[in-house]
Amino acid sequence: TQLLEQSPQFLSIQEGENLTVYCNSSSVFSSLQWYRQEPGEGPVLLVTVVTGGEVKKLKRLTFQFGDARKDSSLHITAAQTGDTGLYLCAVLSGTYKYIFGTGTRLKVLA
Amino acid sequence: DADVTQTPRNRITKTGKRIMLECSQTKGHDRMYWYRQDPGLGLRLIYYSFDVKDINKGEISDGYSVSRQAQAKFSLSLESAIPNQTALYFCATSDQAGRNTGELFFGEGSRLTVL
Repeated sequence: TQLLEQSPQFLSIQEGENLTVYCNSSSVFSSLQWYRQEPGEGPVLLVTVVTGGEVKKLKRLTFQFGDARKDSSLHITAAQTGDTGLYLCAVLSGTYKYIFGTGTRLKVLA
Repeated sequence: DADVTQTPRNRITKTGKRIMLECSQTKGHDRMYWYRQDPGLGLRLIYYSFDVKDINKGEISDGYSVSRQAQAKFSLSLESAIPNQTALYFCATSDQAGRNTGELFFGEGSRLTVL
């Protein structure tokens, strides 16, 4: 059983469309991170959310941490081809173990 | 230059061969990690190290070993490679997680194919 379930697994959309991807768990976390991995590169941190109900914005990306701190969403407004990549959520379990979701692979078509 | 550098970037080898993947970092971080990434399985932790004298197994350490030669260097070895070790391997570093919000910094990955 995967601790962090991400949906959808794959998403292909046209440039300019909006989209939301989700990261869900039955466990409560003190914080949650979102990473983006582009082809041929390692994941890069986009944001960390730490407070239940918190909303953070990074240009066209909006991140929300659920009130109960069990889930999170990432909304992209007016997607661009440069948003293409694998989006991973991750949590820190204990003091060392980062647990990653299986990811959402996004492809934005021109 | 990348802060976390992995070599080689790509390697094809045969079953039974010994393989070493190397990682070096210029971030000055104490914590270093090795992950493998497989389609549909996400990133899974192989080994981690909090300093030169500290080595710990992750969730999938069987068939792997590591060496922390210096604060900046952490290598992963496959003593006798097998086909199901074909994967994309990532080295990562982090500073001490203060409020458990520490960022992971990844290398560009080493793609290993075992025939």
